[in-house]
Amino acid sequence: NAGVTQTPKFRVLKTGQSMTLLCAQDMNHEYMYWYRQDPGMGLRLIHYSVGEGTTAKGEVPDGYNVSRLKKQNFLLGLESAAPSQTSVYFCASSYSEREVDEQYFGPGTRLTVT
Amino acid sequence: GENVEQHPSTLSVQEGDSAVIKCTYSDSASNYFPWYKQELGKRPQLIIDIRSNVGEKKDQRIAVTLNKTAKHFSLHITETQPEDSAVYFCAAILNDYKLSFGAGTTVTVRA
Repeated sequence: NAGVTQTPKFRVLKTGQSMTLLCAQDMNHEYMYWYRQDPGMGLRLIHYSVGEGTTAKGEVPDGYNVSRLKKQNFLLGLESAAPSQTSVYFCASSYSEREVDEQYFGPGTRLTVT
Repeated sequence: GENVEQHPSTLSVQEGDSAVIKCTYSDSASNYFPWYKQELGKRPQLIIDIRSNVGEKKDQRIAVTLNKTAKHFSLHITETQPEDSAVYFCAAILNDYKLSFGAGTTVTVRA
C-alpha cells in the first residue's frame, strides 16, 4: 500500500513551458486535491475532485487545469508556466461516505520556473 | 469561503515546557478542525482533529480545544521534546470538503 504518490519529485521549467504533475492513490479514495505551498502562506487549494470525472476550482485555480479520468489518478497541468508558479505542490486524498475525514498527503513536487 | 488565522507564526520553547497554538475561523458552519505537522522537507501529516460536536480531544501529549461560540480552536503540546520541532498547521472545513489552512507555526524546542 503506497498511499499517495506524486511524480515528478523535482522539476525546473522555463517561462512558457508546459508540464503535468501526476498524483496517484491506492486507497480507493473518492476525493482528491491539489495544493500549493509557499513560504508564510500555508497550503492553498488549487483544484479538487469529489469523484471520477469531476473537478472543481479551489482558492487559486488560475493558470492550472486538472483532470480525473480514473478514480486513482488526479493530474495537474500547467499550460504556460510563469515564475509565480514556483512552489511546492502537494496532492492529497480522502474518503468518507458520511462526513469529512482526514486528508492524506503525497510527498510533494518542488517546481521552479525560471 | 472559510478564512483561518493562526498565531503565533513562530514559537520557541524549552524542552519539557508546553506549547500552545491558536487559530480562529470565520464561518460558523465549519464542522471539522484538523491539525497537521510538517517536518522539514516532508509532507504534512495529521496529528489530531476535532469535530464541532466535541469541545476537547486528547491524544497522549497533544490536545485540541474548540470554542464554537468564539470561533477559535487551539493545539496544546505538553512536555515538549526535540522531535516536536516542526511546522504546525491548523485547518477548518465546511461540508464541501474544502480545507482552509492557517499560515503555519514554526515550533522550535530548545534542548
